Amino acid sequence: AQTVTQSQPEMSVQEAETVTLSCTYDTSENNYYLFWYKQPPSRQMILVIRQEAYKQQNATENRFSVNFQKAAKSFSLKISDSQLGDTAMYFCAFMNYYGGATNKLIFGTGTLLAVQP
Amino acid sequence: GAVVSQHPSRVICKSGTSVKIECRSLDFQATTMFWYRQFPKQSLMLMATSNEGSKATYEQGVEKDKFLINHASLTLSTLTVTSAHPEDSSFYICSAPPQGRRNTEAFFGQGTRLTVV
Repeated sequence: AQTVTQSQPEMSVQEAETVTLSCTYDTSENNYYLFWYKQPPSRQMILVIRQEAYKQQNATENRFSVNFQKAAKSFSLKISDSQLGDTAMYFCAFMNYYGGATNKLIFGTGTLLAVQP
Repeated sequence: GAVVSQHPSRVICKSGTSVKIECRSLDFQATTMFWYRQFPKQSLMLMATSNEGSKATYEQGVEKDKFLINHASLTLSTLTVTSAHPEDSSFYICSAPPQGRRNTEAFFGQGTRLTVV
């Protein structure tokens, strides 16, 4: 069974600074996707970034980037130039990809990020 | 982007009654929808996979007779909490990957906060 581990329950960062959230996962599969989701106080789940396991290049989305280390099964999220609106719970998630099949997400326990003014 | 609408956003019910939560994909079809449960300050735990036109697939430990799932059309899945008890109080979230795409992105509803008194 796949598992996703986030070892940082809470983190704090000053506005405009950079912060890195950690995530490790365990799987015996070779074809999968990894995600970072943001859940602000409204509790709406928002996709931040997605990484395909077969791609070596790390995904980036504006201020958000990942460090994907497949051999180490590590998938960290870096937020640059942190903004107050980044304050939220961040979940790392794993999904097997079977090609055409619709698959469930397995979530980590989350990291509560607080951006301080 | 794809929109998933979940209704109601909040519901309070008496112990012993049943509550129905709806999850609709507004601008796309979804043969599969997922139902998650989230306790305060915790992660999303998959309860079941809702399949259009067939029986739902429940995760281990989830009572299928208590959490009835119906996926009668390509745009609607419902979760009914039967004979609700205070321990069923939680935040319930649905998600749907659009049919026909690569199924790597799940769009989430706004969630339903259920309080059983």
